[in-house]
Amino acid sequence: QKEVEQNSGPLSVPEGAIASLNCTYSDRGSQSFFWYRQYSGKSPELIMFIYSNGDKEDGRFTAQLNKASQYVSLLIRDSQPSDSATYLCAVNQAGTALIFGKGTTLSVSS
Amino acid sequence: NAGVTQTPKFRILKIGQSMTLQCTQDMNHNYMYWYRQDPGMGLKLIYYSVGAGITDKGEVPNGYNVSRSTTEDFPLRLELAAPSQTSVYFCAVRISGGAYNSPLHFGNGTRLTVT
Repeated sequence: QKEVEQNSGPLSVPEGAIASLNCTYSDRGSQSFFWYRQYSGKSPELIMFIYSNGDKEDGRFTAQLNKASQYVSLLIRDSQPSDSATYLCAVNQAGTALIFGKGTTLSVSS
Repeated sequence: NAGVTQTPKFRILKIGQSMTLQCTQDMNHNYMYWYRQDPGMGLKLIYYSVGAGITDKGEVPNGYNVSRSTTEDFPLRLELAAPSQTSVYFCAVRISGGAYNSPLHFGNGTRLTVT
């Protein structure tokens, strides 16, 4: 059973701090990795995707991938209260569908 | 949500009833998916389709059926609804030309309660 694991949280950070969200996956053959943000009662929306080892930056968000350790993370710099949401890590499964973790709830306090 | 439309938004069913959740996309994408999300859980794949006339089971297909007669529509059928099917259902399409490693884009979801 291919799995994606995330700490459910909640992860609480003060406004302006860096939030670090982590995800591990079991399928060593996975090649594409995604972070989605989901506000309560809403559908998931794509924040970042990463395919290659290393870092990928987009504004306040940085995705980090380490395929040898089967680990992907999302850093949110200068966290804002509007970043408070559940963050879902997803891994592409053999070109068919995405497997999702259970999500990490982030709370940013002002 | 950028061309993925789900109806209805909410529905309450009695045990044993049946219904069809509708999903329509206007982007001509081949890959479409149905996921369900239970409270505090991630998304679990029910069924998916790689094009008209082609469907396949995901992780949790029992109690559901799908069809894909056109590229635009991918309805999900619940027969003999059970309380365990109380969930939020999301339809999604694979964007960026359908490349195998491209992201999914989700509809707004259908919140279903079976009592």
